[in-house]
Amino acid sequence: EVQLVESGGGVAQPGGSLRLSCAASGFTFDDYTIHWVRQAPGKGLEWVSLINWDGGDTHYADSVQGRFTVSRDNSKNSLYLQMSSLTSADTAVYYCARGMEGAAAADDLDHWGQGTLVTVSS
Amino acid sequence: IQMTQSPSSLSASVGDRVTITCRSSQTITTYLNWYQQKPGKAPKLLIYAASSLQSGVPSRFSGSGSGTDFTLTISSLQREDFATYYCQQSYSTPLTFGGGTKVEIK
Repeated sequence: EVQLVESGGGVAQPGGSLRLSCAASGFTFDDYTIHWVRQAPGKGLEWVSLINWDGGDTHYADSVQGRFTVSRDNSKNSLYLQMSSLTSADTAVYYCARGMEGAAAADDLDHWGQGTLVTVSS
Repeated sequence: IQMTQSPSSLSASVGDRVTITCRSSQTITTYLNWYQQKPGKAPKLLIYAASSLQSGVPSRFSGSGSGTDFTLTISSLQREDFATYYCQQSYSTPLTFGGGTKVEIK
């Protein structure tokens, strides 16, 4: 069974940093592109970032470019999101999600974690 | 690429046929996905590549369209279908989602 489990959420101060993790199991982790998607309280979904199978290709939303860094450790079946210069606009539930197999479908998100809540507040 | 869904909400009864539309600001061929989200839960992929049904999803869900105009149809609404639905373009990064359509019980 495919599982994605996020952790690392919590309360951070404005201007502060936080590192999220996503532990994967039930599939060959290094075959897949993985994404981060967030959802502010009561709002819709916002794509944040993606990283390809070997970490050699990453992309970011304009809203987080230069502040967030996505990485992965395939030996640990884990994905990370390093967040810095946080603002209240970053308050959201953060989901990791797996892209479907194959280059043409890598941005179709077929499995999602349960999410981890990040709250930016003083 | 901007994704615009309509309506933003709708009320329907069990057994109704429901149609949700999604329009992209530029052509995305068939790089369009649909997700269902229930309160407090992660989104679930329903339809990918505009019209392909994800494994395990009931056949009452269907998708159509290409270019800039797309439709999600639920042929006979069931109680478990009351949720919020999102479209998403996977044509180019940054990936973008529609604003969502909340399907409520009439």
